[in-house]
Amino acid sequence: RKEVEQDPGPFNVPEGATVAFNCTYSNSASQSFFWYRQDCRKEPKLLMSVYSSGNEDGRFTAQLNRASQYISLLIRDSKLSDSATYLCVVRGRSNDYKLSFGAGTTVTVRA
Amino acid sequence: DVKVTQSSRYLVKRTGEKVFLECVQDMDHENMFWYRQDPGLGLRLIYFSYDVKMKEKGDIPEGYSVSREKKERFSLILESASTNQTSMYLCATGLPVAFFGQGTRLTVV
Repeated sequence: RKEVEQDPGPFNVPEGATVAFNCTYSNSASQSFFWYRQDCRKEPKLLMSVYSSGNEDGRFTAQLNRASQYISLLIRDSKLSDSATYLCVVRGRSNDYKLSFGAGTTVTVRA
Repeated sequence: DVKVTQSSRYLVKRTGEKVFLECVQDMDHENMFWYRQDPGLGLRLIYFSYDVKMKEKGDIPEGYSVSREKKERFSLILESASTNQTSMYLCATGLPVAFFGQGTRLTVV
């Protein structure tokens, strides 16, 4: 079983729509969670960290469900510029050097 | 802003060649990483280094080696390039948040 699994999509949504997707992780001892954004042929960049109580950053909302071992990302009022691949990233213990990456969920926002 | 610079954006090498990929960071980070990214597989860790001259194997170290002689520089070496090493190679620095270089798309023919 992969350490981090994501629905690859693609999620094709019209501008202004809300899109949401999940990521599951296998290590119940995981401590830190992140969403990265990767544009086509570019490097991944941090979108947001995911906190236990859930958190928002503008139109983006991230949630963590430890009991079911998944995190989610919701994008409200989608913009064309939100088209990208979103990578779920999980870190084990706080002193763990390793980050585990999902293969990514592709979102395409159409006009 | 953290700057992570990889020496090449695109490389084409022949099977059996020795290939060097260089990565330089300007943030005085102790931790540096090399990943490869392939469609459907995500990023997989090849090697990482937590200090000068220190290195640890990641999940897929076979066919690769690394060198870290200076804190700011982390090199990935393909000892004898093979076609199955055709991939996007990404250098990263920092923990818990990773900052990536722009990537090197390597094609081995």
